[in-house]
Amino acid sequence: DSGVTQTPKHLITATGQRVTLRCSPRSGDLSVYWYQQSLDQGLQFLIQYYNGEERAKGNILERFSAQQFPDLHSELNLSSLELGDSALYFCASSVAGGDYGYTFGSGTRLTVV
Amino acid sequence: DQQVKQNSPSLSVQEGRISILNCDYTNSMFDYFLWYKKYPAEGPTFLISISSIKDKNEDGRFTVFLNKSAKHLSLHIVPSQPGDSAVYFCAASSGGGADGLTFGKGTHLIIQP
Repeated sequence: DSGVTQTPKHLITATGQRVTLRCSPRSGDLSVYWYQQSLDQGLQFLIQYYNGEERAKGNILERFSAQQFPDLHSELNLSSLELGDSALYFCASSVAGGDYGYTFGSGTRLTVV
Repeated sequence: DQQVKQNSPSLSVQEGRISILNCDYTNSMFDYFLWYKKYPAEGPTFLISISSIKDKNEDGRFTVFLNKSAKHLSLHIVPSQPGDSAVYFCAASSGGGADGLTFGKGTHLIIQP
């Protein structure tokens, strides 16, 4: 157990729907990162939050949004889902914003049918 | 445009021998490089890193070499053990790492008995 909790582990939904992925960071960590891993692709950085504030944005689609709550857990919202959004979504956390060796959760596998 | 490339999707090595995983990058702004290891159904786990001011970093059986002029880094595992069988991701960062990491697609290392 890495200490980073992601729920749900698996999610199957239809095109056009909206889903929410949840991440609880490791105790004491203030930064949360979201990554997407599509089939045969490396992990693509989506977005980072630090202590409730958006810190950096990567290749995140406009249909996707995220937030970090006062208790530091984070949610990634994916809307108007397309088949190509099927992927593994990883959350990672770190103590500070520039901490490289951050800890990943085990991911949420999203399947859009 | 892939800024971090791992050109070998898989690598098979005999137990006890040296495993060498390679990674090339194109962005000269990258100043920090990391290797992550991933088992099935788990998130990536941080393995070892190197700053661009160094050309080598060692941690037990794992050594990372950086050749800045060639924009190339490699991970050496000596000796290779069955538990090393996993997918290895090379990742890079610039600007202090606060903007997320850029990952390669990974190399599946298989250690044969």
